[in-house]
Amino acid sequence: DAKTTQPPSMDCAEGRAANLPCNHSTISGNEYVYWYRQIHSQGPQYIIHGLKNNETNEMASLIITEDRKSSTLILPHATLRDTAVYYCIVGLSGNKLVFGAGTILRVKS
Amino acid sequence: NAGVMQNPRHLVRRRGQEARLRCSPMKGHSHVYWYRQLPEEGLKFMVYLQKENIIDESGMPKERFSAEFPKEGPSILRIQQVVRGDSAAYFCASSPQGNRLSYEQYFGPGTRLTVT
Repeated sequence: DAKTTQPPSMDCAEGRAANLPCNHSTISGNEYVYWYRQIHSQGPQYIIHGLKNNETNEMASLIITEDRKSSTLILPHATLRDTAVYYCIVGLSGNKLVFGAGTILRVKS
Repeated sequence: NAGVMQNPRHLVRRRGQEARLRCSPMKGHSHVYWYRQLPEEGLKFMVYLQKENIIDESGMPKERFSAEFPKEGPSILRIQQVVRGDSAAYFCASSPQGNRLSYEQYFGPGTRLTVT
């Protein structure tokens, strides 16, 4: 299964867009890209997933490059409540999610 | 729509006692997953179950840990003879269907186990 690389931490000003990058250069053709987040001590929360096309839902947008080797999660108007650890996960390793270290996003007022 | 429910939210056990953690999946979901998060560490998969079947238990410690998902009732993660190293947050997730290339897992709030 493909591994992912994310920056350990990022800061974002409240009200601005938060753009969280993820590299997954070894992704295979049928592996989806998933994003989850974990707000302090809570259960992980599903955000969005996609295969090739860009995806958007009420929470975020997911931009996947044409070669699928990287993606960006966009929170269009970050709020303080978006402060969390964001996990980019590629594929489902036999039905299980393999969480890495993720990116700590700090939204600041 | 009720989400994934876990109880208890907090559980304190003395060394050597048994811990039972319960998980009720979202309505309509027949697949359950358990993950563990040790203090200051990442989430690790433990076990994947469908109704009455264990599909993948590759992340379960070989001893003292067991899981079930009966035909009726919640999924249970059971830890016998707990030790201090079992202190962690245990999260349950559910999905409507497994064995596809794409599906979401929805997580519960977790059970925080403290072994004294």
